[in-house]
Amino acid sequence: GAVVSQHPSRVICKSGTSVKIECRSLDFQATTMFWYRQFPKKSLMLMATSNEGSKATYEQGVEKDKFLINHASLTLSTLTVTSAHPEDSSFYICSAGGEWTSGNTDTQYFGPGTRLTVL
Amino acid sequence: RKEVEQDPGPFNVPEGATVAFNCTYSNSASQSFFWYRQDCRKEPKLLMSVYSSGNEDGRFTAQLNRASQYISLLIRDSKLSDSATYLCVVNIRGSARQLTFGSGTQLTVLP
Repeated sequence: GAVVSQHPSRVICKSGTSVKIECRSLDFQATTMFWYRQFPKKSLMLMATSNEGSKATYEQGVEKDKFLINHASLTLSTLTVTSAHPEDSSFYICSAGGEWTSGNTDTQYFGPGTRLTVL
Repeated sequence: RKEVEQDPGPFNVPEGATVAFNCTYSNSASQSFFWYRQDCRKEPKLLMSVYSSGNEDGRFTAQLNRASQYISLLIRDSKLSDSATYLCVVNIRGSARQLTFGSGTQLTVLP
């Protein structure tokens, strides 16, 4: 199956700093990637849809100036959490759509996630 | 009403048991349906897609009832390794390829 990587896998930072998370598709080109956030014992919540070469589409309630998304190439999308606060501590997961799979273009493959802890 | 709703469980079953999970979705125009599995502190992994005709993959059977907007997952002869959270996932928004996740059903298979 397709491989999606994320870096870093874990980050601990001080309140007020910015953190950049990278999401890469390793063996395919992804024009669209998705960013999710998951709090403990909760489900994944879609934050934004990242489109290569254009602005990201943010879900209602997600601040675009706080969660900066850049999708500059077909294999890389980045999420920057600006001026992080303890309430931003969460598990951030990216995914890419699966046009390479036969039939179902809606299958998505997920990166391993980035666990962010803001002190 | 939540867009995708699941019984959170937890389900604690003995090894070898058969267990069934249910899920309902709100948008009748939804086109794609999946079950994902998520282990603790890991990313979700696709378990199987769900088709109108129903589909089976080994010990796992998924069914879709469009009229009732209802999806099910049946696990037969459960193994210890089946312990995980099972996520019902729906493409609520049709062609946008954006997935909406249920809150997950936690399964623990006991020896």
